[in-house]
Amino acid sequence: GAVVSQHPSWVICKSGTSVKIECRSLDFQATTMFWYRQFPKQSLMLMATSNEGSKATYEQGVEKDKFLINHASLTLSTLTVTSAHPEDSSFYICSASGGGAQETQYFGPGTRLLVL
Amino acid sequence: GNSVTQMEGPVTLSEEAFLTINCTYTATGYPSLFWYVQYPGEGLQLLLKATKADDKGSNKGFEATYRKETTSFHLEKGSVQVSDSAVYFCALRLYTDKLIFGTGTRLQVFP
Repeated sequence: GAVVSQHPSWVICKSGTSVKIECRSLDFQATTMFWYRQFPKQSLMLMATSNEGSKATYEQGVEKDKFLINHASLTLSTLTVTSAHPEDSSFYICSASGGGAQETQYFGPGTRLLVL
Repeated sequence: GNSVTQMEGPVTLSEEAFLTINCTYTATGYPSLFWYVQYPGEGLQLLLKATKADDKGSNKGFEATYRKETTSFHLEKGSVQVSDSAVYFCALRLYTDKLIFGTGTRLQVFP
């Protein structure tokens, strides 16, 4: 099946710094990529949807200036957490699909972020 | 609003036991329903899906039937294996490509 990778798998940073997380589709072209956030014992919450070459669409309550998403190619999307704070510590998961409402989403393994 | 409710885990079973993980949903409209599985250290994988009422999704011995009258999509397997130990997520999708997930249920199977 289709494979999606994320890098890094975990990261620790100091408060106030920025962190970039990469999401790659390894064997297919991902027209659409999704970024989720997961808190312990809670659902995956969709943060934003990005289509290659266009601006991301953010869910209500997600600060677009804090969580910068770039989807510059059909195989790569990045999430940058700017000026990270301890409350941004979480598990971030991306998924990718070939596009369209009926397309299967393929998920990356996630990135655990800890902000000190 | 649209939401998915799953039974809390962990669910602990002995090998070859029968598994049921409950999932109910609330949706404005007629959603497609999914079960995803996440093995340790891996991404979520689609396990099975159903797109309309009374459909039964099945894969790897797992089954779930889309019950519109009870707004449910319970996951079942007749005989679990240690290798089935994972976290299982129920999800729905309406008319867009957005998935709405439940909180996940951890299954632990012991030999």
